[in-house]
Amino acid sequence: KNEVEQSPQNLTAQEGEFITINCSYSVGISALHWLQQHPGGGIVSLFMLSSGKKKHGRLIATINIQEKHSSLHITASHPRDSAVYICAITQGGSEKLVFGKGTKLTVNP
Amino acid sequence: GAGVSQSPSNKVTEKGKDVELRCDPISGHTALYWYRQSLGQGLEFLIYFQGNSAPDKSGLPSDRFSAERTGGSVSTLTIQRTQQEDSAVYLCASSFGPRQEAFFGQGTRLTVV
Repeated sequence: KNEVEQSPQNLTAQEGEFITINCSYSVGISALHWLQQHPGGGIVSLFMLSSGKKKHGRLIATINIQEKHSSLHITASHPRDSAVYICAITQGGSEKLVFGKGTKLTVNP
Repeated sequence: GAGVSQSPSNKVTEKGKDVELRCDPISGHTALYWYRQSLGQGLEFLIYFQGNSAPDKSGLPSDRFSAERTGGSVSTLTIQRTQQEDSAVYLCASSFGPRQEAFFGQGTRLTVV
């Protein structure tokens, strides 16, 4: 079983819809990261969080440490949000990122 | 530079040849990471540098893989005697320190034929 599980694997939405991507993990962590990967490969860090909630523009990330669960929300989705969204964790005492398999989001106009 | 720079962006090599992949991290970033993204496999950790030292090499898949970092800056990932299963996108990331936000390069797409 992968230490980081994401759902759904694929998500198709219409422009303007509210999007939620979920991430569950099974080990103690020092931080959780949400990353975005566009076609062509470039990876951008969206959020790094260890508690609570963070917001940047139309993106919101939340984490529940007790439940070992995080969500990434996109409000008023747009076709340019189409990308693969990857959840990753750093475990306590380790510096490396352990990745989920990603959620491929397609937002149709 | 403004971001993490990797070269080459694409590399096609014959099975059995050695390849070197280069990463120029963001200036001032002490932590540097190599990851690999294989088709259908997702992203996996290879090695972590803090300064010029590599305290975590646990992700290197075999002794054909090695990496070094000099001057606390540029890093080179070397794959000897390449195999077809080495074909992947090799990504470098850097951060100001351990457990800080990571900035990724565009990757090197390696194809072993």
